[in-house]
Amino acid sequence: DAGITQSPRYKITETGRQVTLMCHQTWSHSYMFWYRQDLGHGLRLIYYSAAADITDKGEVPDGYVVSRSKTENFPLTLESATRSQTSVYFCASSEPRGPPRETQYFGPGTRLLVL
Amino acid sequence: GENVEQHPSTLSVQEGDSAVIKCTYSDSASNYFPWYKQELGKRPQLIIDIRSNVGEKKDQRIAVTLNKTAKHFSLHITETQPEDSAVYFCAASKNTGFQKLVFGTGTRLLVSP
Repeated sequence: DAGITQSPRYKITETGRQVTLMCHQTWSHSYMFWYRQDLGHGLRLIYYSAAADITDKGEVPDGYVVSRSKTENFPLTLESATRSQTSVYFCASSEPRGPPRETQYFGPGTRLLVL
Repeated sequence: GENVEQHPSTLSVQEGDSAVIKCTYSDSASNYFPWYKQELGKRPQLIIDIRSNVGEKKDQRIAVTLNKTAKHFSLHITETQPEDSAVYFCAASKNTGFQKLVFGTGTRLLVSP
């Protein structure tokens, strides 16, 4: 688990500000994911990436931007934060060439509060 | 797209009792069903998974069953202990070359001593 880290762990920001959440993994996993966790909704996929420079939208991508210039990093940017983006954000990674092929390993999470 | 429903949302049991959490999925092409456990303030962690070519899988006190015809799968925890208290999430995905998980909404399990 120590192989995937997120920063910051806690963040308070204001409506309209740009915020970037960082995710770093040391396993050289090909796949990386961003989820948000909200009460009553479970974990919802925001964006995912199959490799460096390959990203795609998940279930709830609006208001978010991602990039992946290096395999180990997958930052998530909120371009103009809104109160509805207050949430706990989890990054995850997996290696499809496995085994275990499908297991996703989660980072410790970032708690974001938008005032 | 895939939709996963999970029940119950909360479950309270006495230590030593069994607990069962049920999930249904909508996409008959889904073939991989993991279960994640999330303790308070912690990250989700995989506890067991099952593939569609298997009907049941056990690992000590936990087991998962899959009914492909009915499109539902269940997590069974026997001899529950206080440390089993957590939120449990089921998920489903299909092998399209990329394992994109769709999660249920979670079950909060409370095991009372």
